Amino acid sequence: VQLVESGGNLVQPGGSLRLSCAASGFTFSDHYMEWVRQAPGKGLEWVGRARDKANGYTTEYAASVKGRFTISRDDSKNSLYLQMNSLKTDDTAVYYCTRSDSSGSVGAFDSWGQGTMVTVSS
Amino acid sequence: DIQMTQSPSSLSASVGDRVTITCRASQGIRHDLGWYQQKPGKAPKRLIYAASSLQSGVPSRFSGSGSGTEFTLTISSLQPEDFATYYCLQHTTYPFTFGPGTKVDIK
Repeated sequence: VQLVESGGNLVQPGGSLRLSCAASGFTFSDHYMEWVRQAPGKGLEWVGRARDKANGYTTEYAASVKGRFTISRDDSKNSLYLQMNSLKTDDTAVYYCTRSDSSGSVGAFDSWGQGTMVTVSS
Repeated sequence: DIQMTQSPSSLSASVGDRVTITCRASQGIRHDLGWYQQKPGKAPKRLIYAASSLQSGVPSRFSGSGSGTEFTLTISSLQPEDFATYYCLQHTTYPFTFGPGTKVDIK
């Protein structure tokens, strides 16, 4: 299993950024996928989830990002995305993609990418 | 939201010590809890899933127990590579929530 995030950058408050997560080594289309972030020197915060095709590709979000962030996926490209709009300084963090599945605990957050850094600053 | 607390927030221990970290949930989460180890500059790594199941490849000195609202992670004999920060995660109810972490450092 390999998850590789990309797209992190320095962006001004109010700006937008799109993160990508390239997956390999497993059947991407069978899995739920998650985004988790970690602000510098802080703990881990769940950002949101993308379910698989069997569950309608539906999504869930943390309240702190709902309405500003959108998670999507392209199973043909084995890729997960995080579109971030109206960015705030509080969104500064390392963003990780992780793998889960619909079975519950067995597959929950079992593999993680190395993360990509997003800095929101003027 | 379900609040997760961890105790202690940090501890100092010696190689060979037995270490126990506690995670408490503000409401019942069945067995939907995982434990993660994170070293500086690295991604978290899952150690335990379903509260007490050992992740494949993780040394058997790590164990988890508990259900409902109280959970523990135990390291039976601390090794040099175990100095890290440990997080619990509940994934039973949205939003999923992590504990604040327990930093284990060298005494």
